[in-house]
Amino acid sequence: GDSVTQMEGPVTLSEEAFLTINCTYTATGYPSLFWYVQYPGEGLQLLLKATKADDKGSNKGFEATYRKETTSFHLEKGSVQVSDSAVYFCALAPGGYNKLIFGAGTRLAVHP
Amino acid sequence: SAVISQKPSRDICQRGTSLTIQCQVDSQVTMMFWYRQQPGQSLTLIATANQGSEATYESGFVIDKFPISRPNLTFSTLTVSNMSPEDSSIYLCSAAAGSGNTIYFGEGSWLTVV
Repeated sequence: GDSVTQMEGPVTLSEEAFLTINCTYTATGYPSLFWYVQYPGEGLQLLLKATKADDKGSNKGFEATYRKETTSFHLEKGSVQVSDSAVYFCALAPGGYNKLIFGAGTRLAVHP
Repeated sequence: SAVISQKPSRDICQRGTSLTIQCQVDSQVTMMFWYRQQPGQSLTLIATANQGSEATYESGFVIDKFPISRPNLTFSTLTVSNMSPEDSSIYLCSAAAGSGNTIYFGEGSWLTVV
């Protein structure tokens, strides 16, 4: 069945460092891909999305490109801030459906 | 976008009791979903709440344990029945709305069963 694999955390970075969180997926058809963020004590917020191959989603300095050839959707940010500390979830929605399949989540801790 | 409100936001429940979580969306949506997030874990889909018909449950979840109602296009409830400590989780309501059917989440209902 469809699935999402994320790099294990926690990821610990210093402020202004470059961030990459790897995400790969297995799916039949053409899924939509998402990154959600969960700040401490809060619910899920949509960070960015891409609905077809080669699309780049971006928001708040984060970006991810839908790579069909490598079945990947890696999250990147050029310069992280302490306020980016959160858990990041990669997810896919199988083509034509709105229910989401989530990865395990990656905890990011950014230190001053 | 869509704003999704859940009640209660947090609760501490006695084992053996049941609790109903309410989810209200600020616009009409075709699809609503319920997810569970156990402590330190990822999210797992419980069921799709269908308006006017029975919910569609994912493998491992049953109606007797998690009855769901969806009386209209903006509202749904999830009941967690006969709770045990293993049901301590965040329960999140989700809906697809807006252009491109973006999927939004409520802030979650944090349940602790003692």
